[in-house]
Amino acid sequence: NAGVTQTPKFQVLKTGQSMTLQCAQDMNHEYMSWYRQDPGMGLRLIHYSVGAGITDQGEVPNGYNVSRSTTEDFPLRLLSAAPSQTSVYFCASIREGKTGEIGEAFFGQGTRLTVV
Amino acid sequence: EDKVVQSPLSLVVHEGDTVTLNCSYEVTNFRSLLWYKQEKKAPTFLFMLTSSGIEKKSGRLSSILDKKELFSILNITATQTGDSAVYLCAVEAGDYKLSFGAGTTVTVRA
Repeated sequence: NAGVTQTPKFQVLKTGQSMTLQCAQDMNHEYMSWYRQDPGMGLRLIHYSVGAGITDQGEVPNGYNVSRSTTEDFPLRLLSAAPSQTSVYFCASIREGKTGEIGEAFFGQGTRLTVV
Repeated sequence: EDKVVQSPLSLVVHEGDTVTLNCSYEVTNFRSLLWYKQEKKAPTFLFMLTSSGIEKKSGRLSSILDKKELFSILNITATQTGDSAVYLCAVEAGDYKLSFGAGTTVTVRA
C-alpha cells in the first residue's frame, strides 16, 4: 500500500526560484492538507482541501499556491522562494470520521527544503 | 483564532517512569482531538477523541478528553527508551482544518 507519496525528500532552492512539491494518495480521501514544521512550532497549516476542485487557506498561506484537480493529487507550489520558507513540509491525507469530522491523518515522508 | 497549547514543552524521565502530557484548546465548534507521535520523520497516529469517545487506551498509552474544561491528557506508563519522541496534539474545529500544538519532546533515559 503506497498511502501518501510525497516528493522530493530534499530540495535546495535559490531565493526567487519556484518549485512544486508533489503529493499523491491512494486511499480515496477527500481531505488533504499541507503543513510546514519549524523547530519548536509544531505543524502549521498552509493550505487544505476538502475535495477535488475545493481548496482553502490555512494559517500560513502566503507565498504558496495549491490546486486539487483530482482526488488523488494535491501539489504545493512555491511561487518565489524566500529564506523564510526554509522548513520541513508534510502533506497529509485525512480519513473522514464516522460523523463527518476529521479523523486520522496519514502523512507523507516530508520534504526538507532549504532556500539560500 | 483557534489555539492548541501543549505542556510541558519538554521533559526528561527514566525508564519505568510515568509521563503525563497536557493539551488545552480554544476552538469554536470542536469536533475531534488527535494525538500523534513523531520520531525523526512523519507523525504517526496514536488516538482520536471525540464527543462520543472521550477515553482511549492502547497498551501503555492512554488518553482522556475533558470537553467541559477543554483539555486532553496523554499518559504513558512504564516508559521505555522507544517512547522518546515529540508528541503532538491536534484539534479539528469543525471547518476541516486540523490545528496542531507545538508538541512536547519526551526523552526517556535508560
